[in-house]
Amino acid sequence: DADVTQTPRNRITKTGKRIMLECSQTKGHDRMYWYRQDPGLGLRLIYYSFDVKDINKGEISDGYSVSRQAQAKFSLSLESAIPNQTALYFCATSDFGGGRETQYFGPGTRLLVL
Amino acid sequence: AQSVTQLDSQVPVFEEAPVELRCNYSSSVSVYLFWYVQYPNQGLQLLLKYLSGSTLVKGINGFEAEFNKSQTSFHLRKPSVHISDTAEYFCAVSEVRAQGGSEKLVFGKGTKLTVNP
Repeated sequence: DADVTQTPRNRITKTGKRIMLECSQTKGHDRMYWYRQDPGLGLRLIYYSFDVKDINKGEISDGYSVSRQAQAKFSLSLESAIPNQTALYFCATSDFGGGRETQYFGPGTRLLVL
Repeated sequence: AQSVTQLDSQVPVFEEAPVELRCNYSSSVSVYLFWYVQYPNQGLQLLLKYLSGSTLVKGINGFEAEFNKSQTSFHLRKPSVHISDTAEYFCAVSEVRAQGGSEKLVFGKGTKLTVNP
């Protein structure tokens, strides 16, 4: 079984709809991250969490919110989806390593906002 | 703040040819450097990383990278590529901090490597 899972894998929604992307991990890591990937732009950090009580904004947090329900679960919400949020979204986890740590990525959620 | 530049957005090569994917970084402090690979329709996985010590780092699938501090580069190389190496490759950097982890791993925009028969 995969260590980092994301649901759904694909989603089509309409402008203005609220949508939630979910991430679960079995690696036992404290740190979790949400990124979006756009063609030609690489990965950009949306939010990250170092433990259940610690949530931090990343580079592009506007229009997004997150919830860390448990050590193993980290959800990303789009309160009112807009077309330029169409992207590939990745969840990742890592252990603490002083910056040396490897990040482990889920398979991604492809989101299309019409 | 750190930044990463991947100089080539696409690199086409023939099977069994050597390849170099270029990465330059910018930071005012010491850094850790990473290469991640994304195969089609998959998430990213670590290829190799430089933390300290020897500047030549060997990774999975025959890849290696060399850290050059004076040129602020971390180029990825493979002497002979296979069709299965077709993927997108991302260079990433995190800053070394005196205490606590570096919360930000900054990625480059990626290089698409296409290996043709």
